[in-house]
Amino acid sequence: DQQVKQNSPSLSVQEGRISILNCDYTNSMFDYFLWYKKYPAEGPTFLISISSIKDKNEDGRFTVFLNKSAKHLSLHIVPSQPGDSAVYFCAASASYGQNFVFGPGTRLSVLP
Amino acid sequence: DADVTQTPRNRITKTGKRIMLECSQTKGHDRMYWYRQDPGLGLRLIYYSFDVKDINKGEISDGYSVSRQAQAKFSLSLESAIPNQTALYFCATRGGVLNTEAFFGQGTRLTVV
Repeated sequence: DQQVKQNSPSLSVQEGRISILNCDYTNSMFDYFLWYKKYPAEGPTFLISISSIKDKNEDGRFTVFLNKSAKHLSLHIVPSQPGDSAVYFCAASASYGQNFVFGPGTRLSVLP
Repeated sequence: DADVTQTPRNRITKTGKRIMLECSQTKGHDRMYWYRQDPGLGLRLIYYSFDVKDINKGEISDGYSVSRQAQAKFSLSLESAIPNQTALYFCATRGGVLNTEAFFGQGTRLTVV
């Protein structure tokens, strides 16, 4: 059973609009969450993270929101740009174990 | 040069052959990981190592082995490759401090025919 879920395999958004990517997790021991972006023929690159002591973390156009009670996090990209088109992976870890568990990914397409 | 380098980038091999994927890093990190990516399954952990003398199985270690030759080098071997090991393989490193991100190599696309 997947501990980290990304229920939308794909998402299409118009350039300039907001992209919202969602992630759900089942393990209540997870306390550190990350988003990675992956372009074709490249390795995943770190985008943004959030610790469970926070409910929001912002970095430029990217904001991650964490709702611990719902075991849900989301990545907001505002405004979306064509260069944001990629596969986005949500990942989680528990401090005691420190290994990341990845979701299956969501392919974002930003249309010009 | 990339911080995490994987060789080869692409490889086609026959069923039953032994193959080694290599990873080297210049980040000075102690922790190194091997993942495989399959469509719809995300990245799954094969093996990980917290230092040269420490090797641990991940979620899907069957059919794989690893060797940590040095702090900077971590290789993955398929002793007898089978077609369902066809996948994209990634090496990653991570610093020893809690709550830090992992850095990935560019990946090795392996096809077993």
